[in-house]
Amino acid sequence: EVQLLESGGDLVQPGGSLRLSCAASGFTFSNHAMTWVRQAPGKGLEWVSTIGTSDDTYYTESVKGRFSMSRDNSKSTLYLQLNGLRAEDTAVYFCARSSVVDGRGYLDYWGQGTLVTVSS
Amino acid sequence: DIQMTQSPSSLSASVGDRVTITCRASQGITNYLLWFQQKPGKAPKSLIYSASSLQSGVPSRFSGSGSGTYFTLTISSLQPEDFATYYCQQYESYPLTFGGGTKVEIE
Repeated sequence: EVQLLESGGDLVQPGGSLRLSCAASGFTFSNHAMTWVRQAPGKGLEWVSTIGTSDDTYYTESVKGRFSMSRDNSKSTLYLQLNGLRAEDTAVYFCARSSVVDGRGYLDYWGQGTLVTVSS
Repeated sequence: DIQMTQSPSSLSASVGDRVTITCRASQGITNYLLWFQQKPGKAPKSLIYSASSLQSGVPSRFSGSGSGTYFTLTISSLQPEDFATYYCQQYESYPLTFGGGTKVEIE
């Protein structure tokens, strides 16, 4: 059974840093691209970043230069380093697995999310 | 960026009703369209990928159609566990973008 378990969310002051983790199990982690998606309280969903199987990374414009995504295949764990946090980064952060069909990856399994609150 | 527009934003329906949700892309995305369901405090659940392919384990009352810029998600006979918010998402290109969601409520 595919499982994704996020952790690391917390209350942090503006300008602060946090590292989120997503522990994966039930599949061969190294074979899949992985993605972070966030949802601000009461709002819709926003793609944050994706890391491919070759460690190629992609970021939404608003987090470029502040967030960094990485993976440790030996631990089947995904990371998101959040620096320079702003109030607008407050959200539940979900990790999701991608599977490729017809040359494009779609998000097939999701974790339950971890809450990041940026406030003084 | 590709904009995804869902309608309606909410609807009320009864158990057994047929429900259709639409999603429009601001430019053609072929069939790189995902539908998923979200319940409060729960992990999102992917339902339909490639616009019309049913994700493993998803009941057959869910179906998707469309290509290019216009897509639909249909629930043929609404069940109590289907009351949730539904989103579409394009994965044709980065940035990945989502529709605003459709909340399906009990009438």
